[in-house]
Amino acid sequence: DTAVSQTPKYLVTQMGNDKSIKCEQNLGHDTMYWYKQDSKKFLKIMFSYNNKELIINETVPNRFSPKSPDKAHLNLHINSLELGDSAVYFCASSQETGTEAFFGQGTRLTVV
Amino acid sequence: GEDVEQSLFLSVREGDSSVINCTYTDSSSTYLYWYKQEPGAGLQLLTYIFSNMDMKQDQRLTVLLNKKDKHLSLRIADTQTGDSAIYFCARRRDDKIIFGKGTRLHILP
Repeated sequence: DTAVSQTPKYLVTQMGNDKSIKCEQNLGHDTMYWYKQDSKKFLKIMFSYNNKELIINETVPNRFSPKSPDKAHLNLHINSLELGDSAVYFCASSQETGTEAFFGQGTRLTVV
Repeated sequence: GEDVEQSLFLSVREGDSSVINCTYTDSSSTYLYWYKQEPGAGLQLLTYIFSNMDMKQDQRLTVLLNKKDKHLSLRIADTQTGDSAIYFCARRRDDKIIFGKGTRLHILP
């Protein structure tokens, strides 16, 4: 069974559209994250949720809105997509904030 | 990865040892990590070390931590073609994990 799964794996969309990426973890972890990996493979944290509550928002544009319906899910909704949003988005989870994180396989978003 | 630095490229001959180095600035780190990313894949946690440890060994992997110099290294013994990947050094800061920019390990035949 996949520990951290995200869908879709690939997403190609036009500028201005709104899209969502879903993430689920079956590890029983209480903290979930979204990371963005750019074309140079640099990884930056975007959000962190602990028990469904937002604890980190790394100055991400408010076009990005994470939603955590329960502690096993953290979805990422992006409004008015821009070319610069093209990247690979990784979901991750950990047992408690800041300990080792287990990552999903990533969602490659391409905005055209 | 503004406070975790690592070189971007490393080439090693198959069968040799690979040593990937990392430096960090914040001495209050409690956990330091090594992640591996193969092409088109997610990040795989290879190993981690607590800040009160100097060394950790796990099969072909050896992690060395020099707290005084804020230096972390990952040694891969008997490097194989399957070790070709990007290796990320990371550290815990507050409630998040901060990543370095990754070292691309290239295996020469």
